[in-house]
Amino acid sequence: AQKVTQAQTEISVVEKEDVTLDCVYETRDTTYYLFWYKQPPSGELVFLIRRNSFDEQNEISGRYSWNFQKSTSSFNFTITASQVVDSAVYFCALSDMEYGNKLVFGAGTILRVKS
Amino acid sequence: DTEVTQTPKHLVMGMTNKKSLKCEQHMGHRAMYWYKQKAKKPPELMFVYSYEKLSINESVPSRFSPECPNSSLLNLHLHALQPEDSALYLCASSQVRTSGRANEQFFGPGTRLTVL
Repeated sequence: AQKVTQAQTEISVVEKEDVTLDCVYETRDTTYYLFWYKQPPSGELVFLIRRNSFDEQNEISGRYSWNFQKSTSSFNFTITASQVVDSAVYFCALSDMEYGNKLVFGAGTILRVKS
Repeated sequence: DTEVTQTPKHLVMGMTNKKSLKCEQHMGHRAMYWYKQKAKKPPELMFVYSYEKLSINESVPSRFSPECPNSSLLNLHLHALQPEDSALYLCASSQVRTSGRANEQFFGPGTRLTVL
């Protein structure tokens, strides 16, 4: 069965600190996709990244970077030099072949960045 | 245009009311979704439409009735709701999954529903 675990319920950091959000997933499929979404207080989920199971290259986009490791079933997200605007709930999600268009979300991690 | 719009932003309704939530996208996506999100919880999938046909219903009570009148619009008709149905209702759209490739979903800002 599919499952996404975000063990960190809430993280607080001071501006300019680096922070890593953990995501561990479970699936029986060999083909699957992983996603990260950001949900600021306004409520809208903002798509950040999609990764497929055959591409283990790490990715960097500005201050954001993602570390995908199939060996540990993890897809962690790092924000470098955090800013107050990064304060939000971050969700990791999984979509595999068994469930088609369905996204299975983790519980989310609340990130608070203090100035 | 990479925007999904939802109206209204806020809705307060009594348990005997009938209301509708509306969602619109102009990205040419042929898959559209309704999610329900309670406070401090992740979104829960309710319905999926693919090519304007209902493809997934996650055992949602019949007091929620979805409708997809065309490829750009998605409605959620509400009738005889309960206070526990109060939540943020999110609409999303994506390209239809083909050849095993899962596409990212783009979400609207949501409708905050309060049922009195």
